[in-house]
Amino acid sequence: DQQVKQNSPSLSVQEGRISILNCDYTNSMFDYFLWYKKYPAEGPTFLISISSIKDKNEDGRFTVFLNKSAKHLSLHIVPSQPGDSAVYFCAASGTSYDKVIFGPGTSLSVIP
Amino acid sequence: DGGITQSPKYLFRKEGQNVTLSCEQNLNHDAMYWYRQDPGQGLRLIYYSQIVNDFQKGDIAEGYSVSREKKESFPLTVTSAQKNPTAFYLCASTIPTAAPEKLFFGSGTQLSVL
Repeated sequence: DQQVKQNSPSLSVQEGRISILNCDYTNSMFDYFLWYKKYPAEGPTFLISISSIKDKNEDGRFTVFLNKSAKHLSLHIVPSQPGDSAVYFCAASGTSYDKVIFGPGTSLSVIP
Repeated sequence: DGGITQSPKYLFRKEGQNVTLSCEQNLNHDAMYWYRQDPGQGLRLIYYSQIVNDFQKGDIAEGYSVSREKKESFPLTVTSAQKNPTAFYLCASTIPTAAPEKLFFGSGTQLSVL
C-alpha cells in the first residue's frame, strides 16, 4: 500500500502562472517531507523540504504547504517557467533514521 | 567536486546473466541507497546501507544483491533471478543523522534486457 501518493500523474501550466502539485500521505509518523525534481535520464535533485512542526516553507519561487490534519502537502511554483518542466517527487521520512518513501511523481509541463 | 558517480550509464543484460551496477561517492556519506524507477511507479527502494559492512533489504530486494566493503562504494548486482530487470536504477547517499534526510542522487543507469 502506497504511503505517499501523488494522484495527478501529469500537469500542464502556462508560463507565468502558478503550478500546484499535490501529495497525500497515510503514515502519521512521518516528520519530514521533501520535494525532488527530476529531469529525464538524470538523478533527482532536492528542491525543498518542510518539517511537520511547520505549515509553510518558502524558497524563492517554491513554497511547500503542509496540512497535517488532512495528511496533505502541496508544492506551489510561482511564476512557472519552462525550465520547471520535470517530474516532481514527493517524499517523506521519520525523525529517527529510516528509509525515505517516495511518491510516484507528477510530470509538470510548463508551456511557453 | 563531490558527488555520486554511477556507471555505466547504459547496460544490457542477456538472459541468465548477472550484471553489476557501480556506485561511488566522495561525499563522505555513511548511508547509501539503491532505488529502481519504473514508469508511473516512482522510486522503489531495493537495498540500503547505513554503515560499512552492513546493509538491509528495501521493498523490492528479491533478485538483487549488494555489498558495502568500503564507505565510498555500494555496488548492486542484478542477478538472473530478477525476472523483470529493465528499469532506471538510481544510487543515492546521505548523512543518516541529518534531518531532513536529504538524498544526493547519481545520474542513474538504464538497464535493458537483450
